Amino acid sequence: GAGVSQTPSNKVTEKGKYVELRCDPISGHTALYWYRQSLGQGPEFLIYFQGTGAADDSGLPNDRFFAVRPEGSVSTLKIQRTERGDSAVYLCASSLDQNTEAFFGQGTRLTVV
Amino acid sequence: AQTVTQSQPEMSVQEAETVTLSCTYDTSENNYYLFWYKQPPSRQMILVIRQEAYKQQNATENRFSVNFQKAAKSFSLKISDSQLGDTAMYFCAFMKLAGANSKLTFGKGITLSVRP
Repeated sequence: GAGVSQTPSNKVTEKGKYVELRCDPISGHTALYWYRQSLGQGPEFLIYFQGTGAADDSGLPNDRFFAVRPEGSVSTLKIQRTERGDSAVYLCASSLDQNTEAFFGQGTRLTVV
Repeated sequence: AQTVTQSQPEMSVQEAETVTLSCTYDTSENNYYLFWYKQPPSRQMILVIRQEAYKQQNATENRFSVNFQKAAKSFSLKISDSQLGDTAMYFCAFMKLAGANSKLTFGKGITLSVRP
């Protein structure tokens, strides 16, 4: 596709449930980032992939959060046992490689009720 | 660790006027990039302008320009001839060049409203 695609656009889930958020980066982009944006805040870094490997996962808040990128393209952010505090917009970005411009998707708004 | 501070939560400007958005940052790095991103209600972050720290000349992109003061760690955005489509949240962001991770550190953002 022409840009970074994230699905679903919106997700409502019950506390305690498991959710998966998907990111389709721009074709050929080796670097992929996940950020979390809480209401009224700027995005906060979660995890960075270079190819298939997670090069930096220092931003993941706890072990309920996990992300994969098995073929170096599509990435899935997985959240187990969701809590109300996980409610936020989850943004994905990709870039051709590190130190080049990152392009963002439109995000997934996750609401935990 | 790097920090980015945007102390103005919101600003308003009349269409066709000029507005300046403030940003300060703190880092011990010498080589880095600074960015301004626009986030309209669609949520998609759009790059407005980028400044390399090693360049003394301030970056410009059409109606957008920055005032980069490296010693003061200040990076303000000037929008000239404001248009209604400029209404959005604006985020200042920092990226260090050293190392293998080009993650961005964002400020809290500022809501800009352009009045007709």
